[in-house]
Amino acid sequence: RKEVEQDPGPFNVPEGATVAFNCTYSNSASQSFFWYRQDCRKEPKLLMSVYSSGNEDGRFTAQLNRASQYISLLIRDSKLSDSATYLCVVNEVMNYGGATNKLIFGTGTLLAVQP
Amino acid sequence: GAGVSQSPRYKVTKRGQDVALRCDPISGHVSLYWYRQALGQGPEFLTYFNYEAQQDKSGLPNDRFSAERPEGSISTLTIQRTEQRDSAMYRCASSLPRGKRGQETQYFGPGTRLLVL
Repeated sequence: RKEVEQDPGPFNVPEGATVAFNCTYSNSASQSFFWYRQDCRKEPKLLMSVYSSGNEDGRFTAQLNRASQYISLLIRDSKLSDSATYLCVVNEVMNYGGATNKLIFGTGTLLAVQP
Repeated sequence: GAGVSQSPRYKVTKRGQDVALRCDPISGHVSLYWYRQALGQGPEFLTYFNYEAQQDKSGLPNDRFSAERPEGSISTLTIQRTEQRDSAMYRCASSLPRGKRGQETQYFGPGTRLLVL
């Protein structure tokens, strides 16, 4: 089983739609969670960190469910410019439970917003 | 300010040759990471440094891969006796050290596309 699993998509949605991505992680002791965005032929960039209480940044909402070990990203009112690959990311956890700076990436979910 | 820079951006080499990939992190970022990204996949961790110390090299595939950061700034990832399976995008990232606000954000460079013929 992969440490971080995502549906690779593609998700084809019309402009203005609401779209949700889910991601599951295998290590229950993981402590830090993120969504990165990667445009075609570009480097990954942090979109948002994911906190236990959930967090929102404009049209983007991230949720964490520790009991089920999944992370979600909701995009409302999709724009053409939202078309990209969305990478679910988790910090590795050491044997003693401490977090490291080593990031574990999912394969990414491709979003294509259609006009 | 300047972001993470990598050179060369593209490298084509013949099987069996050695290659050296360079990373110049953001000024003030003491943590530096190397990742490898295959097409259609997320980045895969290779190794990372705090200052000049290599903290974790568990992701290096085998002993043909090595990395150094002798002065705690620029880093070099070296692949000896390259093989076709080494072809990939090699990405470098940097961040503030743990304990600093915003330390969780890793800033990635544009990558070096390596093609081994």
